[in-house]
This record gives sequence, C-alpha cells and structure tokens, in this order.
Amino acid sequence: DVKVTQSSRYLVKRTGEKVFLECVQDMDHENMFWYRQDPGLGLRLIYFSYDVKMKEKGDIPEGYSVSREKKERFSLILESASTNQTSMYLCASSFGSNTEAFFGQGTRLTVV
Amino acid sequence: GQQLNQSPQSMFIQEGEDVSMNCTSSSIFNTWLWYKQDPGEGPVLLIALYKAGELTSNGRLTAQFGITRKDSFLNISASIPSDVGIYFCAGPPIGGKLIFGQGTELSVKP
Repeated sequence: DVKVTQSSRYLVKRTGEKVFLECVQDMDHENMFWYRQDPGLGLRLIYFSYDVKMKEKGDIPEGYSVSREKKERFSLILESASTNQTSMYLCASSFGSNTEAFFGQGTRLTVV
Repeated sequence: GQQLNQSPQSMFIQEGEDVSMNCTSSSIFNTWLWYKQDPGEGPVLLIALYKAGELTSNGRLTAQFGITRKDSFLNISASIPSDVGIYFCAGPPIGGKLIFGQGTELSVKP
C-alpha cells in the first residue's frame, strides 16, 4: 500500500514563526502536492512538484514556499505564520500528474 | 482556478437509507475519482473510473463515469453510521492537474 506520512498531526505556532510541514511518501511517486482544507472551501492546491527540485504554484501559493530536495520528501514552509493560515494541511502524492493521488493523514495547524 | 460542482453540499439521513451525490464539470475528464475523508483524517480513495459509461462498485458504493465525460455519480446503499464523513469527487481535465469538488458532508443518524 502507498504510504504518505506527514510529520505532525497537530501543531500550534505563534504569529510570525517560521513553520515547516514535512511529508514523506514511500512509493517513488513523481508528483507531490500540498493542499489546505477549510470549511466550505474544499481542498485548495497550494503548491505541487513533479520532480526533485521542481515546483509549481497552485491556486493559493501566497504566504507559502516549498522544498523538494529528495524525491520522497516534500516540505511546505510558512515563512512568517499568520492567523489566517490556521487550517488543515494535506499532503498527497501520485505517479502521474493526472492519476489518483494518495493523501497523508493531515496536519491541523493553529496559528495564535 | 477550475472547479468541480459537487452536490449536495451536505446530507442528513437515517441509517439504512440510500445516498446519491454527483459532480459536474465544464471540461471533459479522462478520469473520475471518489474519495472519503473521515473526521480528522486525510481523504482515502474509494473508487477510480477511467472510461465513459463505466460503472464500478466497491462494496455498498457504486460510482459511474458519465457518458458526456463531464459528470460522475456516487451512490451508497443501505447507509451505516461509519459512512459519516466528507465525500469528494476529483479528476483531471484534459491537460490539467487534479482538481477536487467542494465535498459532500454526510451525516447518518442511527
């Protein structure tokens, strides 16, 4: 089975802190994604990566950056956390850009 | 960005009832996916559809890839309390990346 693992289930950070959310997949997938999920807004794509060191902006990249130094790991970085970034963050991976994606368990981030 | 229109947004049903939800798009899709998200967890893939007209079952779940390739349906028969959660449709428009519907939140009353 595909396994996508996010480093934390719950995080509480202070406004202005730099925050790292880590995601690791074990299926040698080319593509990795970061979404945020908010009530009534569904899943919104922040960034995705289709290869090591490659990244593309999704629909809501503002306030975020990403890093993919190794194929299995995709990190989401909040340079200076703000309260409006309180959300559920979901990492996913897929073999192709338009094939089924497999999700991690999610990280619920609260910025206070 | 492009969106899928998923309906209904929420459903409150009695245990044992059947459930139907659907997704429509303005673009043609080659693949339709249905996910379920349990409270506090990440979405889990339920059914993948690859061909127009395809009807696929997974236990009490049945999904169909619409003939027009612009819609898909998910049915749950004889619902049980553990069916509670949010159901998402997803798919890639041709040449595009995977996008998700807004979700259907299902509540089942024992």
